[in-house]
Amino acid sequence: QVQLQQWGAGLLKPSETLTLTCAVSGGPFSGFFWSWVRQTPGKGLEWIGEINHRGSTVYNPSLERRVTISVDTSRNQVSLKLASLTAADAAIYFCARRLPMLPGYFDYWGQGTLVTVSS
Amino acid sequence: DIQMTQSPSSLSASVGDRVTITCRASQSIRNYLNWYQQKPREAPKLLISSASNLQSGVPSRFGGSGSGTDFTLTISSLQPEDFATYFCQQSYSPPPYTFGQGTKLEIK
Repeated sequence: QVQLQQWGAGLLKPSETLTLTCAVSGGPFSGFFWSWVRQTPGKGLEWIGEINHRGSTVYNPSLERRVTISVDTSRNQVSLKLASLTAADAAIYFCARRLPMLPGYFDYWGQGTLVTVSS
Repeated sequence: DIQMTQSPSSLSASVGDRVTITCRASQSIRNYLNWYQQKPREAPKLLISSASNLQSGVPSRFGGSGSGTDFTLTISSLQPEDFATYFCQQSYSPPPYTFGQGTKLEIK
């Protein structure tokens, strides 16, 4: 059974950088895209970006200037960095597996990490 | 970006009821529409892909239909475990992949 286990700091200050990591187990790592999605009560679910095992990335243009997603194929892990945090970045962050071809759904998700941004 | 609009945003219903949730895309997405269920403090769970393909293990009381811009998720006979929030998501356009704002299904 595919499992995505994520971790990272949950309480950050404005202007700091969020770093989250997602470890994949129980299934193949290559052949999929590994996405980050965040959820807030106000904006709902927002796709942040994704990466494949080769390191090819695609980002949401609304966050592209501040986002970096990286991959460690030796550990089957992907990481998210979001810089210059503001209160608007407070959310639950999920990693998720996406099929690279249509219909491109997200079929496995991490447990979510609550991120609070407060001085 | 393709905008996804769900209706209603919330819905009260009783066990045994038939309910329908609608999702509308701002432009045609053919049938590249997926539905998710989310319970409190859990990650979304994929229910239906490509508008009507029920995922393995999902009860047959769930059904999806539609193409182009208009889609529906139907639960034929609500069970207690179905009270949750439901989201649609389009995967047709180049990124960003976008979601509907969600429909919260509550017990009447």
